Amino acid sequence: SQQGEEDPQALSIQEGENATMNCSYKTSINNLQWYRQNSGRGLVHLILIRSNEREKHSGRLRVTLDTSKKSSSLLITASRAADTASYFCATDGGAQKLVFGQGTRLTINP
Amino acid sequence: KAGVTQTPRYLIKTRGQQVTLSCSPISGHRSVSWYQQTPGQGLQFLFEYFSETQRNKGNFPGRFSGRQFSNSRSEMNVSTLELGDSALYLCASSSSWQDSPLHFGNGTRLTVT
Repeated sequence: SQQGEEDPQALSIQEGENATMNCSYKTSINNLQWYRQNSGRGLVHLILIRSNEREKHSGRLRVTLDTSKKSSSLLITASRAADTASYFCATDGGAQKLVFGQGTRLTINP
Repeated sequence: KAGVTQTPRYLIKTRGQQVTLSCSPISGHRSVSWYQQTPGQGLQFLFEYFSETQRNKGNFPGRFSGRQFSNSRSEMNVSTLELGDSALYLCASSSSWQDSPLHFGNGTRLTVT
């Protein structure tokens, strides 16, 4: 079963614009992670935010976490064509190592 | 440091056959997890091995099995293949239990005809 659900399912923006993706989850967590997947490849870890953190930055990435609303957002600033990929949130789902959402497919148009 | 290596990259099998997929984790990583990715179900957790022991198992039938060797390399096996088993099978390794990111291989694309 899916723990995290991303929104929107697909997002298309112009190069240079900011992209925001949201993730909602159902149960309490220790941490939430974001991953990127280029077409037909494996996932690449982007950032991890712990349940006692509210915001975290890594380069052009900004992640927020609201445990009261059980939601997280990933902001990519100044998008580039190379950011075109699918983005997944993942939560530590108890018995399972990580439970992934369905992902947001991001397309950056030149 | 070499990344996670999965072999083969592509595989075509027919219904009823069995298949074995291989995964070599990053050196020093003792945890190996397997995921199935399909367009309809997304990423589904199969199982996780740590020091040759299955530590967690997802909700898949017994046709899906795995093992881990003393060098942390892992294999997964699917017997009596069904059309619905067509998927990208991803292996990931990590260095510890909590707060450790997963490092994924590029997967094995299995097509069952």
